[in-house]
Amino acid sequence: GAGVSQSPSNKVTEKGKDVELRCDPISGHTALYWYRQRLGQGLEFLIYFQGNSAPDKSGLPSDRFSAERTGESVSTLTIQRTQQEDSAVYLCASSTPGQGGYGYTFGSGTRLTVV
Amino acid sequence: GQQLNQSPQSMFIQEGEDVSMNCTSSSIFNTWLWYKQDPGEGPVLLIALYKAGELTSNGRLTAQFGITRKDSFLNISASIPSDVGIYFCAGQLPAGNNRKLIWGLGTSLAVNP
Repeated sequence: GAGVSQSPSNKVTEKGKDVELRCDPISGHTALYWYRQRLGQGLEFLIYFQGNSAPDKSGLPSDRFSAERTGESVSTLTIQRTQQEDSAVYLCASSTPGQGGYGYTFGSGTRLTVV
Repeated sequence: GQQLNQSPQSMFIQEGEDVSMNCTSSSIFNTWLWYKQDPGEGPVLLIALYKAGELTSNGRLTAQFGITRKDSFLNISASIPSDVGIYFCAGQLPAGNNRKLIWGLGTSLAVNP
């Protein structure tokens, strides 16, 4: 597609339930990133995929968080046993070296609310 | 995690005024990026800077990569209502192939028509 697509755009879940967030990057973008943005805060790096290389998972806050990516396409971010502090906007971005270096294209995010 | 010091935290200005915001770091960066985020959207890249001292313009926006490589500023001239939003700086550390960006906490801009 023309841009990075994320779904769902909004998700309300009960504490303790698992959630799965989806990201469709721009076709041909080899790099994909997940960020978390809490209300009124900056972006917090979660995980980075680059082609077929092992992902950089150094930003995942706990073992309840995991992410997968199939080749250079769709990625899913899974949060198990959600907690209220997981409430945030989860942003996905993709990029390619031809995009002026390191400028990302972001999706509109998934707003997760844990009640 | 590491963050950039971005200031001011928020600004409320009159339409037509010029705006200036900046980011500083205790670490050296080899890339500085400025993004704007509208409500309910992801950040959108405004300007990318790759060399110390570089001064780049994009319409009414001008940004500079500081000589020390530890700071950057963004100026907006003759502000208009659609400039409203949150502006983020982001930088990349010169460390191998690590493409993770370090982000500022944002400057929230409000423009009074």
